[in-house]
This record gives sequence, C-alpha cells and structure tokens, in this order.
Amino acid sequence: GDSVTQTEGQVALSEEDFLTIHCNYSASGYPALFWYVQYPGEGPQFLFRASRDKEKGSSRGFEATYNKEATSFHLQKASVQESDSAVYYCALTYGGSGNKLIFGTGTLLSVKP
Amino acid sequence: NAGVIQTPRHKVTGKGQEATLWCEPISGHSAVFWYRQTIVQGLEFLTYFRNQAPIDDSGMPKERFSAQMPNQSHSTLKIQSTQPQDSAVYLCASSLLGEVFFGKGTRLTVV
Repeated sequence: GDSVTQTEGQVALSEEDFLTIHCNYSASGYPALFWYVQYPGEGPQFLFRASRDKEKGSSRGFEATYNKEATSFHLQKASVQESDSAVYYCALTYGGSGNKLIFGTGTLLSVKP
Repeated sequence: NAGVIQTPRHKVTGKGQEATLWCEPISGHSAVFWYRQTIVQGLEFLTYFRNQAPIDDSGMPKERFSAQMPNQSHSTLKIQSTQPQDSAVYLCASSLLGEVFFGKGTRLTVV
C-alpha cells in the first residue's frame, strides 16, 4: 500500500540554523504531497501542498519541492526560530480534495534560543 | 469560524464501557474524517464521509468501532466495550477544497 517515510524522528537545532526534514513516499499513482505542523494540544495544521512534479510549496519560510523521480518532498527552512518547535508531518493523498491523507510518522523539531 | 469542534476534549472510561465522541465540522465542508493518534502508531486514518455518505472505512477496527454522520453538522465515533488499547487521541477533520482542517481532538483514556 501507499506510505510515507520520514527519516528523522527528532531534530534538535539552535535558532537561525538551517532545517531539513526528509520525506519519501511510496505510491502506486501520482499523489498530492503535503506538510502539516502540530503544536501541543492542537490538531495538525496545513502548512502547504504540491500536486505535480517539480512544483514548490511554501509557507511561513518553509518550503519543499515535489520530486517524482526521487519520490521525495523534503521540508526545508533557512533560519529556524524557537517558535517553529513542533511536530511536522509529511502526507499524501489522491484525487485532490476530499480524500483521506496518509501521514508519515512525524518529526519532532526542537529549537533552542 | 470556530473551526472543527470536538467534544469532549478528554474522556475517561472504564474497561468494557462505551464511549461516544462528537465532532462538529466547519459549516459547508462536504468531507469529514476521523483519525486516531498514538505515540506508537502515529496518525492513523479511520473513516470518512462525503456529503454525509460513508466513503471509506478501511481504517476502522472491524469490531466495536462505528461512525455515523446523521446530518451535515455533526458526526459521531462510537467505541463499544472499550479496551486499554483504545486509549488515544481521536481527531476529526473536515475539508471542502484541498485543505483539511483538524479539530483539537478528544483524548480517550480507558482505565
């Protein structure tokens, strides 16, 4: 079945460090890819999406580029802040809106001031 | 817009009791989803409705779990004869176009 793999379970950085969280997917078709962020006591919040090869999604300084050949959608940010500390989830879905999301295992980002 | 509303936020049940979790999706959203979140399994899809009709319940445990959407303003997830392994955060989400909005979840603890 379709799946999403996030390599890092936890990432610890200092403010202004560069962030990369790796996301790879396995899918039988051509999915849309997403990043979600979850803060303590909250549900996951949509960060951004990309729907086709080489499309870049971005929001709040975070970005990721859909790479169909490498089946990847790695999250990056040039300079993290303490307020970015949260759990980040990569996810995929088919058929656009209104369909179920398949999530990766999540990556806990901790940023020290 | 209050977002997706889930009640209660916390629920403690004794083993063998029934638990009903409530979700009020964002008004006008046509798709409603239920997910379960645990430390071990992460975010697991359970079931979803589109325009109140059940579309996919492939993630629902075959026994004891059921979900309903009697009208467009609320959905329920019912767990009969709760077991300790049912302890989790249950998340409801709704969607209209593209973006899926999650509620804050109900933390279910089975003792």
